[in-house]
Amino acid sequence: GEDVEQSLFLSVREGDSSVINCTYTDSSSTYLYWYKQEPGAGLQLLTYIFSNMDMKQDQRLTVLLNKKDKHLSLRIADTQTGDSAIYFCAEDNFNKFYFGSGTKLNVKP
Amino acid sequence: DAGVIQSPRHEVTEMGQEVTLRCKPISGHNSLFWYRQTMMRGLELLIYFNNNVPIDDSGMPEDRFSAKMPNASFSTLKIQPSEPRDSAVYFCASSLQGGGSPLHFGNGTRLTVT
Repeated sequence: GEDVEQSLFLSVREGDSSVINCTYTDSSSTYLYWYKQEPGAGLQLLTYIFSNMDMKQDQRLTVLLNKKDKHLSLRIADTQTGDSAIYFCAEDNFNKFYFGSGTKLNVKP
Repeated sequence: DAGVIQSPRHEVTEMGQEVTLRCKPISGHNSLFWYRQTMMRGLELLIYFNNNVPIDDSGMPEDRFSAKMPNASFSTLKIQPSEPRDSAVYFCASSLQGGGSPLHFGNGTRLTVT
């Protein structure tokens, strides 16, 4: 359960929606997380979803979970230049957290 | 809460020197993690503690690396002797063990070994 994969880059225009995708391998993971990392900072928790949920919405953020396909996505509505950062998905497997390689989101004005 | 506190923020040292990184977890958290982040390898889990006891150190690169957690509010990661390939950002994170408790990260220590 250690393979968490993400695409490396995503570029969108300000005001558009961004969708960042993630696949994981361990079906026993109970929670899945999205973190944001800005330059020179640590990882900041954005949101998380319990594995028996399909969707979670939190203001501009929507998390979709397809447990059958082991696919997780993060949608950011009305993307702003301040959303430019690296986004990591992570799975929690009995208190061991496995992170993807991160997706660098570039928001063009 | 002040969050996870790491020190120093930056460390520059010469090859062969000993380096000690420090971490204060969030009060009340009983799990502590050390990660290393590089461009090439991404975020790697080095070791984690539960209730001050090391649970899994399989990610520690080699014997030059050691970590301790003498009490619930302090942990160190030591590299002796340091090598240029140890240059990376080292993160400490803490959580409250149990389902749905996310990791909270410090701002990291950027280590440069020349």
